[in-house]
Amino acid sequence: NAGVTQTPKFQVLKTGQSMTLQCAQDMNHEYMSWYRQDPGMGLRLIHYSVGAGITDQGEVPNGYNVSRSTTEDFPLRLLSAAPSQTSVYFCASSYRLAGAKNIQYFGAGTRLSVL
Amino acid sequence: AQTVTQSQPEMSVQEAETVTLSCTYDTSENNYYLFWYKQPPSRQMILVIRQEAYKQQNATENRFSVNFQKAAKSFSLKISDSQLGDTAMYFCASSQGAQKLVFGQGTRLTINP
Repeated sequence: NAGVTQTPKFQVLKTGQSMTLQCAQDMNHEYMSWYRQDPGMGLRLIHYSVGAGITDQGEVPNGYNVSRSTTEDFPLRLLSAAPSQTSVYFCASSYRLAGAKNIQYFGAGTRLSVL
Repeated sequence: AQTVTQSQPEMSVQEAETVTLSCTYDTSENNYYLFWYKQPPSRQMILVIRQEAYKQQNATENRFSVNFQKAAKSFSLKISDSQLGDTAMYFCASSQGAQKLVFGQGTRLTINP
């Protein structure tokens, strides 16, 4: 099983450039999320989606856009990269229902540097 | 809003010893979940153990167990017979539903040979 796949693994951008971080899952999960991890801190929620066509903001959404056109994919867009967006980005997915399957599965992360 | 606090930035123990990592949280929800995640140098987030708040019994997974004190909003992780492969960052997290996790700052655990 591929699980949650993130691409690319590493990326260097110049200030003002745009890019899309890709996330795909093959577990038919309804929920998908994006987190960022800064040095010395835990993960913080950027955006999340409860299903195709539905997205919402998390704790730190500024500077990021998302869309969810299919169940499998949840790309994260940086429209104009800033040095403050230098971070490690994690995508995660999970089932909708609470209970035994209420576990998030994480991708391997994308390390992004903005110069 | 939920908050999660880990008061131990770093810990170090000898192999085979037992170590306990602390975590406190704050939430106004009645139904929530608590998690411990391990992040080795590979950066992969690995679920270690989880606790459902409505269950009084403490969760256990092999060498890993938790001490869940709901009234005190405390959720500590005990690692027994620690191994070199346990060296990692450990994050405590809480969630209200399936996906909105709130993480603590992490504890860097080093197991020495």
